Amino acid sequence: EVQLVESGGVLVQPGGSLRLSCIASEFTFSTYWMGWVRQAPGKGLEWVTNIKQDGSETFYVDSVKGRFTISRDNAKNSLYLQMDSLRAEDTAVYYCAKHGDWCFDLWGRGTLVTVSS
Amino acid sequence: DIVMTQTPLSSPVTLGQPASISCRSSQSLVYSDGNIHLSWLQQRPGQPPRLLIYKLSKRFSGVPDRFSGSGAGTDFTLKISRVEPEDVGIYYCMQSTQLPWTFGQGTKVEIK
Repeated sequence: EVQLVESGGVLVQPGGSLRLSCIASEFTFSTYWMGWVRQAPGKGLEWVTNIKQDGSETFYVDSVKGRFTISRDNAKNSLYLQMDSLRAEDTAVYYCAKHGDWCFDLWGRGTLVTVSS
Repeated sequence: DIVMTQTPLSSPVTLGQPASISCRSSQSLVYSDGNIHLSWLQQRPGQPPRLLIYKLSKRFSGVPDRFSGSGAGTDFTLKISRVEPEDVGIYYCMQSTQLPWTFGQGTKVEIK
């Protein structure tokens, strides 16, 4: 089955760090741009970051620039999000998403990150 | 940043009747290649988002043909020709013409 499975979401203190992972199955991961989108509890969707097929280009929303780093390991069909200097406002479900034709055409089920003391 | 504004925010509909959601962008979404990079996603309760429409009007694989997208420039519409029970959820428009990619606030579709 074509799918994305995220992991790594936990409760973390403000200022802390966390790394999210996403494993892709049943599609040629290395040939697609990938991204992360988050959704705060009870709120809408917010694009966070995108990464090119070979990792040579990355883009971020301003609110996470300098704190979050997206990366990938094509040999492991895996996408990562390193999150540093976490803030309460980063609390959200984080979705891994595959790029389609200028859109996100496949989404994981998400992993919850809670930033609280 | 391009701001996406959806109306209405809530839409009670009768089963079997049509529904329509509007999305307006603060800038033109026409990209240099002539395409409009506007997509629509559905999020059923407790589920991740699911792609319905991309590039303004292209229906994604497996999406029922009762869903259609249209529009031009800065005004866009998602139409459901006959609402079914499984259509309950929140619908989002998203622009990917310009970084940062941005979403509308979401429109909640519920059955009357």
